[in-house]
Amino acid sequence: KNEVEQSPQNLTAQEGEFITINCSYSVGISALHWLQQHPGGGIVSLFMLSSGKKKHGRLIATINIQEKHSSLHITASHPRDSAVYICAVLNNNDMRFGAGTRLTVKP
Amino acid sequence: DVKVTQSSRYLVKRTGEKVFLECVQDMDHENMFWYRQDPGLGLRLIYFSYDVKMKEKGDIPEGYSVSREKKERFSLILESASTNQTSMYLCASSFAGVITDTQYFGPGTRLTVL
Repeated sequence: KNEVEQSPQNLTAQEGEFITINCSYSVGISALHWLQQHPGGGIVSLFMLSSGKKKHGRLIATINIQEKHSSLHITASHPRDSAVYICAVLNNNDMRFGAGTRLTVKP
Repeated sequence: DVKVTQSSRYLVKRTGEKVFLECVQDMDHENMFWYRQDPGLGLRLIYFSYDVKMKEKGDIPEGYSVSREKKERFSLILESASTNQTSMYLCASSFAGVITDTQYFGPGTRLTVL
């Protein structure tokens, strides 16, 4: 079993829909990252959080340390949000990555 | 803006060849990382470096070596390329002190070994 599990693996949505991507992990962590990878490979760091909630534009990330779970929400989704979203957790200077969620937003 | 560049976007090599992948960052970051990304497996750390001439093995260092002679440059070396090293290779960098800091990624190099 992977230490970092993401769901769903693939997600297709219509433009404007509210989207949620989930990340569950089985190890103790000091921080969690959400990354966005565009077609072509470029990766951008969206959030780093260790508790609570962070918001950046239409993106919201939450984390529940007790439940070992984080969610990434996208409000009013747009086709340009189409990408792979990757959850990564840090445990004792060791970073573990989820397999990613491929999001496709259709116009 | 932080910029992390990689020497090639696409590379095709033959089995047994020695392959160099170069990564350069312009933000004076101390930490630099090499990952490979494979479908269903996500990103896996090959090596990282926290200072010039310093290196640490990641999860999958076998078949790879690295070189960090200058702060801005981190090279990944495949001593004798094999077909199972066909993958997307991603370089990243971050400020020193804690690995938790935001990592900035390069565009990736898609390597095919024939």
